[in-house]
Amino acid sequence: DQQVKQNSPSLSVQEGRISILNCDYTNSMFDYFLWYKKYPAEGPTFLISISSIKDKNEDGRFTVFLNKSAKHLSLHIVPSQPGDSAVYFCAASEDSNYQLIWGAGTKLIIKP
Amino acid sequence: DAMVIQNPRYQVTQFGKPVTLSCSQTLNHNVMYWYQQKSSQAPKLLFHYYDKDFNNEADTPDNFQSRRPNTSFCFLDIRSPGLGDAAMYLCATSGRGNRIEKLFFGSGTQLSVL
Repeated sequence: DQQVKQNSPSLSVQEGRISILNCDYTNSMFDYFLWYKKYPAEGPTFLISISSIKDKNEDGRFTVFLNKSAKHLSLHIVPSQPGDSAVYFCAASEDSNYQLIWGAGTKLIIKP
Repeated sequence: DAMVIQNPRYQVTQFGKPVTLSCSQTLNHNVMYWYQQKSSQAPKLLFHYYDKDFNNEADTPDNFQSRRPNTSFCFLDIRSPGLGDAAMYLCATSGRGNRIEKLFFGSGTQLSVL
């Protein structure tokens, strides 16, 4: 039972355009969401997070939107740069729990 | 810089030959995790330590063991590696507090089994 789903295995975007990565979840107890970026042969690095009390969080070129009623979050990258080419994982957690529940990842390819 | 360090980056072992992967952290985090990741898949949690308390995932094979001799170090022992254990093994930490906020990952150890 996949509690966190990233339905697009890959996404190709032109450099300079907006990249939108999507994530859906089923567990209504999740109250904290994170995005991680992973390059090949490296560990994931934290990108941005959002608490369920917010519906938007921005950090430079990265913005995460949370729609609790739809149990959906998205990561926007504007403008997309070649260095953004990586696999992006969505993850979720609930209060007092030390586990992150991960999506399967979306491979983002930025075309020059 | 405070960080999570994994050694070695690449490990080759023979089928059935025990192997140990190591992880150290300078973040003074009380929670340490071991994940297994196969290509194009989400990281799979094997176990985690909350301080010295060991928490095994229900579906982690007995072939995988772990030790945490102190706050800074954690080891993953694979007693009899099979071909299916070839994967990236990731160590991660999270800080003090009553919930996880984010994980800090090491660079991983890529394990090959011949």
